[in-house]
Amino acid sequence: GAVVSQHPSWVICKSGTSVKIECRSLDFQATTMFWYRQFPKQSLMLMATSNEGSKATYEQGVEKDKFLINHASLTLSTLTVTSAHPEDSSFYICSASTRLAGGMDTQYFGPGTRLTVL
Amino acid sequence: SQQGEEDPQALSIQEGENATMNCSYKTSINNLQWYRQNSGRGLVHLILIRSNEREKHSGRLRVTLDTSKKSSSLLITASRAADTASYFCATAEAGANNLFFGTGTRLTVIP
Repeated sequence: GAVVSQHPSWVICKSGTSVKIECRSLDFQATTMFWYRQFPKQSLMLMATSNEGSKATYEQGVEKDKFLINHASLTLSTLTVTSAHPEDSSFYICSASTRLAGGMDTQYFGPGTRLTVL
Repeated sequence: SQQGEEDPQALSIQEGENATMNCSYKTSINNLQWYRQNSGRGLVHLILIRSNEREKHSGRLRVTLDTSKKSSSLLITASRAADTASYFCATAEAGANNLFFGTGTRLTVIP
């Protein structure tokens, strides 16, 4: 089955530093990748939609200069949290979308990355 | 399996009618969430109902939760063509941080 990996799975950093999170589709090419944020026991919040080779589309209220997204290839997207602060501590989840035979788009979720900013 | 099941799998209605989607689950939950997904787009959170709540409203959305029956329903009133999308329920287990998604209901609203 389709697998999406994220690296790192958990990161602790000091306030003011930048953190890069990678999302990879391991055995398929993803037409689109999505980045979500989840607070403990809360809902997934869609942050941005990323298509390979083009600028990411950010949801309202998400700072594009704060959360830099790069989608360099059909199998890799990165999210960089710049100048991280404690309020950025959260669980970040990516998903990769591919079109199955029959034309149906399917999303496969990564395992998530827990970011703790001290 | 902890995965929720949704019913119906597909629903087609005329604009202006109400749409009702149901979700059943198997475990004790902390909360239940409903999401919407347009074709080719990401999941968008619609509403969250906690295990101690029975009903919640948000605009044209009404969600009910019956923990004794382990089921929830999402009602969209006065539907619009723009409501056409797939709708998913997701359960957050008590004591855990995982979200388990249902298989979704594909809603088509005919103008």
